[in-house]
Amino acid sequence: GAVVSQHPSWVICKSGTSKGIECRSLDFQATTMFWYRQFPKQSLMLMATSNEGSKATYEQGVEKDKFLINHASLTLSTLTVTSAHPEDSSFYICSASSGGPANTEAFFGQGTRLTVV
Amino acid sequence: KNQVEQSPQSLIILEGKNCTLQCNYTVSPFSNLRWYKQDTGRGPVSLTIMTFSENTKSNGRYTATLDADTKQSSLHITASQLSDSASYICVVSDAQSSYKLIFGSGTRLLVRP
Repeated sequence: GAVVSQHPSWVICKSGTSKGIECRSLDFQATTMFWYRQFPKQSLMLMATSNEGSKATYEQGVEKDKFLINHASLTLSTLTVTSAHPEDSSFYICSASSGGPANTEAFFGQGTRLTVV
Repeated sequence: KNQVEQSPQSLIILEGKNCTLQCNYTVSPFSNLRWYKQDTGRGPVSLTIMTFSENTKSNGRYTATLDADTKQSSLHITASQLSDSASYICVVSDAQSSYKLIFGSGTRLLVRP
């Protein structure tokens, strides 16, 4: 299957700082990328959907000014957690889709563990 | 409102044994139903994807079934291996909501030697 790479795999940052997470589709053009957050022993929660070249669509309850998403190219989307707070500590996962028919497979990155201290 | 419910929440089996995981959903209409395997600290990996017209799909030792009438799906794992220890997530694509993926909470499987 297609490869989606996230970087970094884990990161620790201080409260109040900002941290970016990259999501790259390595062997296909991703017209749509999704960002999820996952807390321990819980399922993935969709945060936002981003389409290349346009503004991201955020799910209800997700602060767009806190979780900045940039999808500048067909192979790269970036999630930036701004003014990080310990409650933002979580596992962040991206997925990428090449669009097309609804049955198009979505490929997930390996996830990024963010710890805010 | 839980649109995708999985059972059991967790399961422990001995290596070599078979097991079946259940998924009930209320998402309607749906485009497709997927099963993913997620190792701890990793992203989900696709096992199977079925449209509403498909009843069964296999991927090696994994066999998924789908009954669109009763809105139930199952994932059967044959001859379990230690490496099968993971969370198994049932995901339904919502055809009325831009094909948004609706995730179940997963079944945590532990295979013991």
